[in-house]
Amino acid sequence: AQSVTQLDSHVSVSEGTPVLLRCNYSSSYSPSLFWYVQHPNKGLQLLLKYTSAATLVKGINGFEAEFKKSETSFHLTKPSAHMSDAAEYFCVVSHSSGTYKYIFGTGTRLKVLA
Amino acid sequence: GAVVSQHPSWVICKSGTSVKIECRSLDFQATTMFWYRQFPKQSLMLMATSNEGSKATYEQGVEKDKFLINHASLTLSTLTVTSAHPEDSSFYICSARDSSGRDTGELFFGEGSRLTVL
Repeated sequence: AQSVTQLDSHVSVSEGTPVLLRCNYSSSYSPSLFWYVQHPNKGLQLLLKYTSAATLVKGINGFEAEFKKSETSFHLTKPSAHMSDAAEYFCVVSHSSGTYKYIFGTGTRLKVLA
Repeated sequence: GAVVSQHPSWVICKSGTSVKIECRSLDFQATTMFWYRQFPKQSLMLMATSNEGSKATYEQGVEKDKFLINHASLTLSTLTVTSAHPEDSSFYICSARDSSGRDTGELFFGEGSRLTVL
């Protein structure tokens, strides 16, 4: 069975400071892992994905995430937060066998303070 | 890049009526599409997997007669909420997987449809 846990439902940071959004996963298979961002009343935009290549994955808008198998983690980071980063972030696990069914985390709402 | 279009973005209907939401893959073919429901400030809940040319696969607890899914072509899946009631009010999001040789395992999401049932 697969699952994903986002450890923080809300994260607040000041503009210009680092962002850390935590995600732990559980998977019986070699997982694919994704981070998506959702702005209010909008669909989901892919930030980055891990699919068994390099463990440090760089995404759009300065975000990156590191796949750590020993810790079953895939935390999302950004060196310097921007006001436009305020949104909901979802960590997602999938596996390549079967139906590509995505399992979503519960989401982390990022607030960026001026 | 791959684009998924959902229509309508917003819909308000009276209780007891039916509402159809369309999900189209604009620049790729998708034999598989997924329908999600999202309650305010919550995560996405998978409702069903839509398969082109065959019956949809519904997740446990989702009424298939309530949420009719049709995937008649390689670029279009529709979700019809039948006899809608206020508790069906929600944000519905579809996603699609590129079924051509460019498939990377990534799903592409529509912009979502906000349904309000009065």
